[in-house]
Amino acid sequence: GNSVTQMEGPVTLSEEAFLTINCTYTATGYPSLFWYVQYPGEGLQLLLKATKADDKGSNKGFEATYRKETTSFHLEKGSVQVSDSAVYFCALFNDYKLSFGAGTTVTVRA
Amino acid sequence: DTGVSQDPRHKITKRGQNVTFRCDPISEHNRLYWYRQTLGQGPEFLTYFQNEAQLEKSRLLSDRFSAERPKGSFSTLEIQRTEQGDSAMYLCASSFSPAGHEQYFGPGTRLTVT
Repeated sequence: GNSVTQMEGPVTLSEEAFLTINCTYTATGYPSLFWYVQYPGEGLQLLLKATKADDKGSNKGFEATYRKETTSFHLEKGSVQVSDSAVYFCALFNDYKLSFGAGTTVTVRA
Repeated sequence: DTGVSQDPRHKITKRGQNVTFRCDPISEHNRLYWYRQTLGQGPEFLTYFQNEAQLEKSRLLSDRFSAERPKGSFSTLEIQRTEQGDSAMYLCASSFSPAGHEQYFGPGTRLTVT
């Protein structure tokens, strides 16, 4: 079956720190991979995606590279801001549906 | 493009009552999905429609749950004889196939069963 495992939180960082959230997956075939973000009081928003091996998705300073050999899709940002405080979800699309990780809560302090 | 909308945003009901939620997808999106999210977890797939056809249902979707998308536009999710374990956030998402598989989510309906 399909499953996503992501780094447990919560993660607390200072502004301008480097952020990494680890995500690994199990799937048959060739899934598409996504990161979604949920800001406080808001709905899920698509952050970035990658559809095949070695693709790099990027948006708002965040990046993630589809690594088939390690079945990973780690999220990174070089310098976080207070406004990046949110819950981040790694997800894969396979068998016509998204499968999500449990989410990682990130808090950035000024 | 107004995004995916859901109604109501919050619903409090007593155990045993029936509830119905509505989702309006992004116009021209032919796929519509329902997910359920409980506190501290990621969304879990419930069911999806391609136009008006319901193509897959999760084993999470017991016989008390039914979903429809009668004209291939909006969708409804009904829960009959609600139980306390049904308390969750119910999310709707839409996408356009055969383009990319990204799904766009609505704000959700938070159900509380007392």
